Amino acid sequence: EAQVTQNPRYLITVTGKKLTVTCSQNMNHEYMSWYRQDPGLGLRQIYYSMNVEVTDKGDVPEGYKVSRKEKRNFPLILESPSPNQTSLYFCASSLSSPPGTGELFFGEGSRLTVL
Amino acid sequence: GQQLNQSPQSMFIQEGEDVSMNCTSSSIFNTWLWYKQDPGEGPVLLIALYKAGELTSNGRLTAQFGITRKDSFLNISASIPSDVGIYFCACQNYGGSQGNLIFGKGTKLSVKP
Repeated sequence: EAQVTQNPRYLITVTGKKLTVTCSQNMNHEYMSWYRQDPGLGLRQIYYSMNVEVTDKGDVPEGYKVSRKEKRNFPLILESPSPNQTSLYFCASSLSSPPGTGELFFGEGSRLTVL
Repeated sequence: GQQLNQSPQSMFIQEGEDVSMNCTSSSIFNTWLWYKQDPGEGPVLLIALYKAGELTSNGRLTAQFGITRKDSFLNISASIPSDVGIYFCACQNYGGSQGNLIFGKGTKLSVKP
């Protein structure tokens, strides 16, 4: 089944404790992206990747890192999480890079709480 | 950065009613898209519009790409309980180097049976 898989789906952590949210897609997509969703703010892009070893900042990259060592994986790293990073995170991918048709395939989301 | 103004923010309607929501931008875009997010899931593409003036239907959903290329609307006819969710408009200038889709803030739809 074609899908974007995120882990963990739910996480409660404390300020300063490094964490990684993994994202994997099995569709051989070139483009991958991370978004955060907050009430009243919609979906905001954190980082995106056009291809392996090619990453770039989105609208809200502060406090996050990413890497794209393999085509299928695009982990999101929070080196020192803070409470303002409490949010619902979505990974998405697209066959073409940039997503020419506009169709992004989203994962099911990872709800992160930083205490 | 660029912003999309999506309205209304939320709607509470009775089953069977028609729904209309819209999205405007201060910039011109090549592509307008509408996504739906079911509760507890990621957004899924409903309709994509690639040409100014284009009117496209997908079942009970109809969307139009404004002639000025700065706006779009989505209509849902005869709403049913499974229409509940958050609807996002999104824009893109395909072929650009950044590859970003810009999303609106969403319209949360509640349908009362």
